[in-house]
Amino acid sequence: GENVEQHPSTLSVQEGDSAVIKCTYSDSASNYFPWYKQELGKRPQLIIDIRSNVGEKKDQRIAVTLNKTAKHFSLHITETQPEDSAVYFCAASTSGGSNYKLTFGKGTLLTVNP
Amino acid sequence: ETGVTQTPRHLVMGMTNKKSLKCEQHLGHNAMYWYKQSAKKPLELMFVYNFKEQTENNSVPSRFSPECPNSSHLFLHLHTLQPEDSALYLCASSPLGGPSYNEQFFGPGTRLTVL
Repeated sequence: GENVEQHPSTLSVQEGDSAVIKCTYSDSASNYFPWYKQELGKRPQLIIDIRSNVGEKKDQRIAVTLNKTAKHFSLHITETQPEDSAVYFCAASTSGGSNYKLTFGKGTLLTVNP
Repeated sequence: ETGVTQTPRHLVMGMTNKKSLKCEQHLGHNAMYWYKQSAKKPLELMFVYNFKEQTENNSVPSRFSPECPNSSHLFLHLHTLQPEDSALYLCASSPLGGPSYNEQFFGPGTRLTVL
């Protein structure tokens, strides 16, 4: 089955700096890569995703890049703000017929220091 | 109410109790999921239902029994649980077709403590 590795497990940056979180996956058939943000005590929320037909996607201060050859994808947050502090999860999806399932990385605790 | 809702939000039970978790989605999705989130572990997929049919059981012990009466409701029946089953149980739903297929939306979770 799919295996997703996520690094780093913790990341501390100063407000205004950029943050980068990286994930690798094992199943070359994976074709959907979402990122979730989970604030303390809250539900995971989808913040951005990318499908295998594009290499990069951007939404304001957040961007995701995908390298299918190397089987890795990354989350980039620019101009970080204290409210970006949360745990971020990457995931990879394999789809077989009508069955979709996400395999998650272990998460990255991002702390943005004011 | 919109989105994905879960009840109860917190549950404390003994190992001999029987309880049920409920999930409801108001997004018109056709797939629903149960996940377990433990401290320092990734989100673990437990069950997947597509159009009320179970399509995935990720080697979950039989003390967890899911039920999906329709595409909007999902239950997780619990009996004779162990203390290591204490975790946050998250429900999610997603569409099965269209441009947003497999975009999973999570409920707030049920924090379960097994004594």
